[in-house]
Amino acid sequence: EAAVTQSPRNKVAVTGGKVTLSCNQTNNHNNMYWYRQDTGHGLRLIHYSYGAGSTEKGDIPDGYKASRPSQENFSLILELATPSQTSVYFCASGDRGKETLYFGSGTRLTVL
Amino acid sequence: GMPVEQNPPALSLYEGAESGLRCNFSTTMKGVQWFQQNHRGRLITLFYLAQGTKENGRLKSTFNSKERYSTLHIKDAQLEDSGTYFCAVKVDTNAYKVIFGKGTHLHVLP
Repeated sequence: EAAVTQSPRNKVAVTGGKVTLSCNQTNNHNNMYWYRQDTGHGLRLIHYSYGAGSTEKGDIPDGYKASRPSQENFSLILELATPSQTSVYFCASGDRGKETLYFGSGTRLTVL
Repeated sequence: GMPVEQNPPALSLYEGAESGLRCNFSTTMKGVQWFQQNHRGRLITLFYLAQGTKENGRLKSTFNSKERYSTLHIKDAQLEDSGTYFCAVKVDTNAYKVIFGKGTHLHVLP
């Protein structure tokens, strides 16, 4: 079973503060993804990456940056957090050519 | 419109009953995945299909790329099947981008 680990599990931030959500996968997957999940919207793609050094915009990238410094790690960065970014964030990984996604346990972010 | 639409939005079943969930696509998709999100919020992969049909225990899924839909059939529903079921697709023009439907909330009643 692929292992995807997110940290922190819960985070409370203040408006205007910087938040970094981390994701680590230990299965040498090429592709990694960041989604947010909100009631009424399902999971929406923020950023994704197809390898170390690459980041691509998803469907709702505004207000977020991503960083893929290595095959194992993919971070989501909120430079200036806003209350509208209060959500549950999921990281996922998948191997090129093998279509199954593996998800982390999620990070619950509250921006006050 | 939405590239991926799921129906119904919510469903209640009694234990032992069966039903189907549907996922419709607005454009050609390379494949479909089905996930269950349990009461703890964890997303569990159920199936990936590039074509045809797959079965796993009480679950069966089909993917018809030509008609642009996929189904997930649950038989002999159990309490632990409760949760939200999502379909997700890779958009044909971008093999890396995976898009989710809004999900079907399933409640299995004793």
